[in-house]
Amino acid sequence: DAGVIQSPRHEVTEMGQEVTLRCKPISGHDYLFWYRQTMMRGLELLIYFNNNVPIDDSGMPEDRFSAKMPNASFSTLKIQPSEPRDSAVYFCASSIRGDGYEQFFGPGTRLTVL
Amino acid sequence: LAKTTQPISMDSYEGQEVNITCSHNNIATNDYITWYQQFPSQGPRFIIQGYKTKVTNEVASLFIPADRKSSTLSLPRVSLSDTAVYYCLVANNAGNMLTFGGGTRLMVKP
Repeated sequence: DAGVIQSPRHEVTEMGQEVTLRCKPISGHDYLFWYRQTMMRGLELLIYFNNNVPIDDSGMPEDRFSAKMPNASFSTLKIQPSEPRDSAVYFCASSIRGDGYEQFFGPGTRLTVL
Repeated sequence: LAKTTQPISMDSYEGQEVNITCSHNNIATNDYITWYQQFPSQGPRFIIQGYKTKVTNEVASLFIPADRKSSTLSLPRVSLSDTAVYYCLVANNAGNMLTFGGGTRLMVKP
């Protein structure tokens, strides 16, 4: 397996633009997680899915953020409109369990909002 | 929601054993304790998970006392390549949010 795949790896955009981040989890993993990492706030869980269903989105910072998982092999995290404070590295991870066990992280998307 | 507390940083030398302790005073009965390692510009990588007593794998050991209010990750004979940030995570499958703490930045010196 190629591991968790994320795209794009880098994204530079201007404030107010829509940003869509993509993730392909490892086949057979029932759980998918979206994280955001910054120097100031560390690694934050934004939302996670179990069997394509969002379980807890209380980490999503505000209504500008939305996430979908239309099928077991694809998820998106959308920011609309983007703001400079959204600049961060966004990680997608997948696992067979939801209790923290062996999450496989993707390479991350480094987002810069100017 | 179990909150974790770890030292911000630690220094060690090659060949030494390193023990990193994490406090999780309000751990729930069904919570597991998991440790991750993160190198710069990479996502975290799973190291080990345990529920109680001691767990050992090929890279580390995890010691959990009977009250489970803390845990200690033990790295035997560290090398320069073990320089990384180590995160302690407490979570269960019951739908609570997984919270990574601030992590411990380990610096291994020659």
